[in-house]
Amino acid sequence: NAGVTQTPKFQVLKTGQSMTLQCAQDMNHNSMYWYRQDPGMGLRLIYYSASEGTTDKGEVPNGYNVSRLNKREFSLRLESAAPSQTSVYFCASRGTGSYNEQFFGPGTRLTVL
Amino acid sequence: AQSVTQLGSHVSVSEGALVLLRCNYSSSVPPYLFWYVQYPNQGLQLLLKYTTGATLVKGINGFEAEFKKSETSFHLTKPSAHMSDAAEYFCAMRPNTGNQFYFGTGTSLTVIP
Repeated sequence: NAGVTQTPKFQVLKTGQSMTLQCAQDMNHNSMYWYRQDPGMGLRLIYYSASEGTTDKGEVPNGYNVSRLNKREFSLRLESAAPSQTSVYFCASRGTGSYNEQFFGPGTRLTVL
Repeated sequence: AQSVTQLGSHVSVSEGALVLLRCNYSSSVPPYLFWYVQYPNQGLQLLLKYTTGATLVKGINGFEAEFKKSETSFHLTKPSAHMSDAAEYFCAMRPNTGNQFYFGTGTSLTVIP
């Protein structure tokens, strides 16, 4: 099992460019999440999807859109990148069950110039 | 409002010394609680999680955490630090209802030889 995979690992964008971060999990999990990690701020939730076909905003959704393409895949799109979106982005998934933890991908390091 | 507070963004201990990383949560009902570890340039890995029953939880790599409802705390300990324990540690909670997780801002552990 690969677990949670993310592509790309690194990306440099210019202000105003768009891109999509891809995430896939092979654990048959219902819930998937997108976080950003910035120094001193921990992980902040951007969007999450409790199940296929549903998405909800998290703490910092502005400037992002998401698509739950199917049960396996959950993508994050930046329509017009800004320097404030320079961050490390993590995707996570979680199975059904009260005590179930999240499983994280390796992250995408994004720089917006 | 639900939140997680980690006291001390940086903790330094000598190799072989006790490790104590503090975590307090804010929730009207005891939530589900987790500790994650992040090594440089990697995603987060589960160290341990609290489930109902015993208040002392054992995790991987010799780490333990004690749930204290009266103090709304879930502090992480390890009796003897090893150089390989140097990493970032995150405390997280998930409320009794819903799918969102709330993360602390993290504690960076340095182990001095």
